[in-house]
Amino acid sequence: KQEVTQIPAALSVPEGENLVLNCSFTDSAIYNLQWFRQDPGKGLTSLLLIQSSQREQTSGRLNASLDKSSGRSTLYIAASQPGDSATYLCAVRQSRPRLTFGEGTQLTVNP
Amino acid sequence: DTEVTQTPKHLVMGMTNKKSLKCEQHMGHRAMYWYKQKAKKPPELMFVYSYEKLSINESVPSRFSPECPNSSLLNLHLHALQPEDSALYLCASSQERVGADGVVPLHFGNGTRLTVT
Repeated sequence: KQEVTQIPAALSVPEGENLVLNCSFTDSAIYNLQWFRQDPGKGLTSLLLIQSSQREQTSGRLNASLDKSSGRSTLYIAASQPGDSATYLCAVRQSRPRLTFGEGTQLTVNP
Repeated sequence: DTEVTQTPKHLVMGMTNKKSLKCEQHMGHRAMYWYKQKAKKPPELMFVYSYEKLSINESVPSRFSPECPNSSLLNLHLHALQPEDSALYLCASSQERVGADGVVPLHFGNGTRLTVT
């Protein structure tokens, strides 16, 4: 059974810092990995999707990497802003269409 | 703004009530999903519809009854719920192609916050 772990569970940083969120998964036979952002009481917003054949994806200040063989992904956020405060979830897709989610990293960026 | 619209945003119901949650998308997606999310926990898959047919039921109790009237709409009918069913119910959609290797992203709605009293 696939298990997805996210470290740290919570992170508080001052504005302007570069930061890294970590996601690990136990079964490397995945189709893709997707990073989401969730604001309190809201739905999930897709940030980046990395196919199993890719190593990284970039969107603005966000960069996600994937090392499928070691079962790890990182989300790098450059020059963090208070508006980046949210919970960040990673999810892996194996047999479609199931996604297995991690428990998330709650990020607070302080002005 | 999300392209998946869920109504209502909030719902309070008693254990004897019957209510429905609604979800709509106009992106031409042929796969639609219901997820349940408890506080500070990740979303848990409940149901998946593919081409308006139920393809996955994750052993969800029969007090939850999904319906997909057409390719743009997804309903979740609720009856005789328990207080522990209180949660955020999320709808999602994605493209669905035969033989797809799962590269398509999911698009989520903002959810319905359900409270069962």
